[in-house]
Amino acid sequence: QSALTQPPSASGSPGQSVTISCTGTNRDVGGFNYVSWYQQHPGKAPKLIIYEVSKRPSGVPDRFSGSKSGNTASLTVSGLQPEDEADYYCSSYAGTDNFSHVFGTGTKVTVL
Amino acid sequence: QVQLVQSGAEVKKPGSSVKVSCKTSGGTLSRFTLSWVRQAPGQGLEWMGRIIPTLGLANYAQTFQGRLTITADTSANTAYVDLSGLTSEDTAVFYCVTHLAAGPWEPFDIWGPGTSVTVSS
Repeated sequence: QSALTQPPSASGSPGQSVTISCTGTNRDVGGFNYVSWYQQHPGKAPKLIIYEVSKRPSGVPDRFSGSKSGNTASLTVSGLQPEDEADYYCSSYAGTDNFSHVFGTGTKVTVL
Repeated sequence: QVQLVQSGAEVKKPGSSVKVSCKTSGGTLSRFTLSWVRQAPGQGLEWMGRIIPTLGLANYAQTFQGRLTITADTSANTAYVDLSGLTSEDTAVFYCVTHLAAGPWEPFDIWGPGTSVTVSS
């Protein structure tokens, strides 16, 4: 199972928006509405911020939003804040292969 | 709120095995489906496998087939990952993580703090 493809980096000034793409295949991203996104600060465990393409867990600000079209999912962070500077990973269920999950390559978001 | 408590850092020789534990605090392990995810230094996340503790049923990523075993002891509220045939490429932080709900498609919700595994001669 190959990793999903994300851009290595993205950046924006405070208050701006940044969008991160996550490209897979019809065996993962395109085949299921089970795409999730994780935020990871240095030295910390990842945190779930989006699941089932566009749902937010309790406590996650509505500045974070998700969408999907075909084999590509996207995460948008609106109104960037300094604490949004982190690594972001997408993940998709890839069910037919041992009920597996696959992660994206990760994107470093820098708040300028 | 459930928390996951993982065992301490390990340093292993190439060719050996490592076993990392993950204990639930504030809730019973049997409530959850649990996965193991690893992250090599400076690299991304990699799903290793998952277990349904009440059934003892485990699934593994193909990458690890044959050298990975995930088990659970519900009486001790503890899950384990056992990786054999270690090489330097297995040097990573190992995370245990519960799924948001019972289905295998569910996202990763509560993460442990991670256990550093270093493979070095």
